Amino acid sequence: GAGVSQSPRYKVAKRGQDVALRCDPISGHVSLFWYQQALGQGPEFLTYFQNEAQLDKSGLPSDRFFAERPEGSVSTLKIQRTQQEDSAVYLCASSLGLAGGINTQYFGPGTRLTVL
Amino acid sequence: RKEVEQDPGPFNVPEGATVAFNCTYSNSASQSFFWYRQDCRKEPKLLMSVYSSGNEDGRFTAQLNRASQYISLLIRDSKLSDSATYLCVVNTNDYKLSFGAGTTVTVRA
Repeated sequence: GAGVSQSPRYKVAKRGQDVALRCDPISGHVSLFWYQQALGQGPEFLTYFQNEAQLDKSGLPSDRFFAERPEGSVSTLKIQRTQQEDSAVYLCASSLGLAGGINTQYFGPGTRLTVL
Repeated sequence: RKEVEQDPGPFNVPEGATVAFNCTYSNSASQSFFWYRQDCRKEPKLLMSVYSSGNEDGRFTAQLNRASQYISLLIRDSKLSDSATYLCVVNTNDYKLSFGAGTTVTVRA
């Protein structure tokens, strides 16, 4: 079956531009997560949705970062006024059930953002 | 201090060798533990969960020591296809995953 998909796969932005990254989770998955992975590091949690509700946004680095999932399926991560330190791979993951440690998170291929 | 610390390696081993590495975690309230595998420029994929009693999945053996807050992974009879970065992952609440920076393993012919 179809996995998690993300678009675009690669994005180059000039410093100060706004970007929008899209995630299509696995159909029927209730939980959706965004992670940021810097070069040579593991993914870092950004935010968590349960259906359309954003239950945790504690990992968002600044108020330039905003995520939404208005209909409980597709999600968009928006970064305003991009900075060079925003350059990273942005990973989306989804899991089937409600919050629970045993729900496997399935990751998308990521969007590699480069800010010049 | 990072929640999950791993030896970055790299571990460079010949085919057929056994390789083992570990990680430590800082939150004693952590509930669930995993090893994920990440190939170069690919997404992380779940390799295996780690249970308190230790568990095997084919050539892979994972151990958990809650008292020492220590998780290990052992790969027996290494294959070229085992070359990857292995991410130690801890679930500190009922949804948030904390990842280590990864241990790089390279298996050479």
